[in-house]
Amino acid sequence: EAQVTQNPRYLITVTGKKLTVTCSQNMNHEYMSWYRQDPGLGLRQIYYSMNVEVTDKGDVPEGYKVSRKEKRNFPLILESPSPNQTSLYFCASSLSPGRSNTEAFFGQGTRLTVV
Amino acid sequence: GDSVTQMEGPVTLSEEAFLTINCTYTATGYPSLFWYVQYPGEGLQLLLKATKADDKGSNKGFEATYRKETTSFHLEKGSVQVSDSAVYFCALKMNSGGYQKVTFGTGTKLQVIP
Repeated sequence: EAQVTQNPRYLITVTGKKLTVTCSQNMNHEYMSWYRQDPGLGLRQIYYSMNVEVTDKGDVPEGYKVSRKEKRNFPLILESPSPNQTSLYFCASSLSPGRSNTEAFFGQGTRLTVV
Repeated sequence: GDSVTQMEGPVTLSEEAFLTINCTYTATGYPSLFWYVQYPGEGLQLLLKATKADDKGSNKGFEATYRKETTSFHLEKGSVQVSDSAVYFCALKMNSGGYQKVTFGTGTKLQVIP
């Protein structure tokens, strides 16, 4: 089954404690991205990756890092989480970056609370 | 820059009512347009899409037509069910030098009551 898998689904952590949210896709997609979803703001892109070892900032990258060492994995790293990073996070993947008519496949989301 | 504007929610309808969720966009080129649906506790999933002007996307009784002249992509369904209760996102996707830029609206929550 084609899917994007995020872990964990729920996470409560304390300010400053480094954490990683994993994302893996089994569709051999080149393009992967991270979004955060906040009430009234919709989805905002944090980082994206067009292929292995190619990553770039989205609209709200501050406080986040990513890596793309393998095609299937795109972890999101919060080196020093702060309460304003409390949010619902989604990983997404899609086919070749050059095709605008292809849909994005989303993971089920990670609900992060930073206290 | 590119943007998507959706009608504010929440929208509350009785079962079998007609649904319209408005979506308008601004873009510098010719985007592809999408509607995604998010059921409670789940990620977004594609509901329908249209890739060029006058295309009509349809799925599960939902329809939306790509109107270039009014820069709109309104979502409609003739008879909603309780199971349609979800948050609906309008989105556009543009190519920019090989980079896929996806812009989402803020989402419209639909609640259907029996």
